[in-house]
Amino acid sequence: DSGVTQTPKHLITATGQRVTLRCSPRSGDLSVYWYQQSLDQGLQFLIQYYNGEERAKGNILERFSAQQFPDLHSELNLSSLELGDSALYFCASSVGPGGGSYEQYFGPGTRLTVT
Amino acid sequence: AQSVTQLGSHVSVSEGALVLLRCNYSSSVPPYLFWYVQYPNQGLQLLLKYTSAATLVKGINGFEAEFKKSETSFHLTKPSAHMSDAAEYFCAVSESGGNTGKLIFGQGTTLQVKP
Repeated sequence: DSGVTQTPKHLITATGQRVTLRCSPRSGDLSVYWYQQSLDQGLQFLIQYYNGEERAKGNILERFSAQQFPDLHSELNLSSLELGDSALYFCASSVGPGGGSYEQYFGPGTRLTVT
Repeated sequence: AQSVTQLGSHVSVSEGALVLLRCNYSSSVPPYLFWYVQYPNQGLQLLLKYTSAATLVKGINGFEAEFKKSETSFHLTKPSAHMSDAAEYFCAVSESGGNTGKLIFGQGTTLQVKP
């Protein structure tokens, strides 16, 4: 158990809908990261927040947005869902803002299926 | 821009045999390199990381990796495979030398261990 929690574990929804994925980082960690894992694209970095502010952005679609709240939990919002958004979405957390010395601890993921 | 290439999407070894999973990276700055393992239906677990302290890095579960700058490689090895090592393994590089936490992952290598 990494200490990172993600809810829900599974999500099935229809095209065009909007969903929210939630992540609680390990106690004491200030950074939260979101990654998407799909068969086509592999593991792709989406976005990082550090202490409530956006730190880095990856290949995140405009239909997707995220935020980190004062209690440090984070939410990833996916809207106007398409079949291709079906994937495993991971949240990770680390103590600091950078990736070098700060290990990232991954949650168990949320499996999103868009039908 | 940094990138990671894992040679071989599937590797099969016999129990007790040497495990060698190959990873080559591309980076314009001194890299931070990681190996993660993903067991079925689970999140990613950090095996080991290279942060320039030592070229030979020892990790958990008997794994180690050697950083070779001249070959831009960071191959993962284990002297003797166990059945429990069967999983997917990902090599990753931290972008921008660690200024952000963005990890760039390879495509992954599935390790099969035969009895």
